[in-house]
Amino acid sequence: GAGVSQSPSNKVTEKGKDVELRCDPISGHTALYWYRQSLGQGLEFLIYFQGNSAPDKSGLPSDRFSAERTGGSVSTLTIQRTQQEDSAVYLCASSLAGPPNSPLHFGNGTRLTVT
Amino acid sequence: TQLLEQSPQFLSIQEGENLTVYCNSSSVFSSLQWYRQEPGEGPVLLVTVVTGGEVKKLKRLTFQFGDARKDSSLHITAAQPGDTGLYLCAGAAGGSYIPTFGRGTSLIVHP
Repeated sequence: GAGVSQSPSNKVTEKGKDVELRCDPISGHTALYWYRQSLGQGLEFLIYFQGNSAPDKSGLPSDRFSAERTGGSVSTLTIQRTQQEDSAVYLCASSLAGPPNSPLHFGNGTRLTVT
Repeated sequence: TQLLEQSPQFLSIQEGENLTVYCNSSSVFSSLQWYRQEPGEGPVLLVTVVTGGEVKKLKRLTFQFGDARKDSSLHITAAQPGDTGLYLCAGAAGGSYIPTFGRGTSLIVHP
């Protein structure tokens, strides 16, 4: 497809379960970002990939959060032992080149609800 | 403390009115981006401003980057219901190269 694709679009899980969120970036985009958007909080940076490496993972809120990127393409964000405060929209973005000036192209996000 | 402060947080206006939203910081940015986000979708880039004092126009939208590259504004002339959405500014500063986003201005334009 032409844009960034994220799946699933919605995920409802029980507290304590693990979840895996997937992002397919635009083909040829070397940089990939994960952000989290909560109501009234704006977009919170989680992790940045350049190729398969993560030069900046400073935004991951706890060791329950991890992410990987394979083949310089698809990325997965894994949240272990989910908590209610993890409920948010998780947005993935890709860009042709690295930060800070290459514009970001976002997917439509995964809305995660932890019950 | 937010690196980028956006104001106002909410704006509800009638079709045809003009409006300005602001994005302010105490830090200097090499560039700033403006995005619009509609419900259920990701943010979509509107414009990037790079040079201090730069003005860019996109149809009825006018973007300005402050001379000191610490602030930016978005002016919409004769707003339309299709302009409804969350307007976000973003940029990298303060020693980080990762784009940071403001909390956004939520605009509703009533027909």
